[in-house]
Amino acid sequence: AQSVTQLGSHVSVSEGALVLLRCNYSSSVPPYLFWYVQYPNQGLQLLLKYTSAATLVKGINGFEAEFKKSETSFHLTKPSAHMSDAAEYFCAVLVGNRDDKIIFGKGTRLHILP
Amino acid sequence: GAVVSQHPSRVICKSGTSVKIECRSLDFQATTMFWYRQFPKKSLMLMATSNEGSKATYEQGVEKDKFLINHASLTLSTLTVTSAHPEDSSFYICSATLGGANIQYFGAGTRLSVL
Repeated sequence: AQSVTQLGSHVSVSEGALVLLRCNYSSSVPPYLFWYVQYPNQGLQLLLKYTSAATLVKGINGFEAEFKKSETSFHLTKPSAHMSDAAEYFCAVLVGNRDDKIIFGKGTRLHILP
Repeated sequence: GAVVSQHPSRVICKSGTSVKIECRSLDFQATTMFWYRQFPKKSLMLMATSNEGSKATYEQGVEKDKFLINHASLTLSTLTVTSAHPEDSSFYICSATLGGANIQYFGAGTRLSVL
């Protein structure tokens, strides 16, 4: 069964520093993977998704993620953190007999230090 | 981009009452809508998948008589929490898809507080 594991429930970085949020997946088939962002008391917004095309996926707000099959990872990065990046980030994988639902990781809260 | 509207954004109710939450796709027809529940500082848990004109498919452990889902049209799905209790207090989020679970657009969520 497919699943994702996010390492670190909280990550703090200084403004302007590199952001790295870790996600590892488990899947017996080529996975479809996603990163979503959630601001306080709001729904989710898709940052980017991997659908077996290019392994380096660029998303919105300067975020990108690299699919590494050898490491079963799909870590999210951003070269320079901004205060507005403070939010909850969820890694997710498409699952189901007919790829009919998404399962989310437990989330990582990103804190930006001034 | 596609817009999904969820209403109300916040509701406070007394224990034993029922609460209805609406999820609307404003500028597209959604054949499938999903309902999630998010506990404080926890991830989103899929509750059910709702297809227009048919019965919802509930995830294991979700009481279908407790959480009634109706998807009467291609732009509206409703979640009714029946006989709400304090343990039902949570953040409920819906999403709608143009086609396939890999293209979901999320509502802003509903904060339910049961007194």
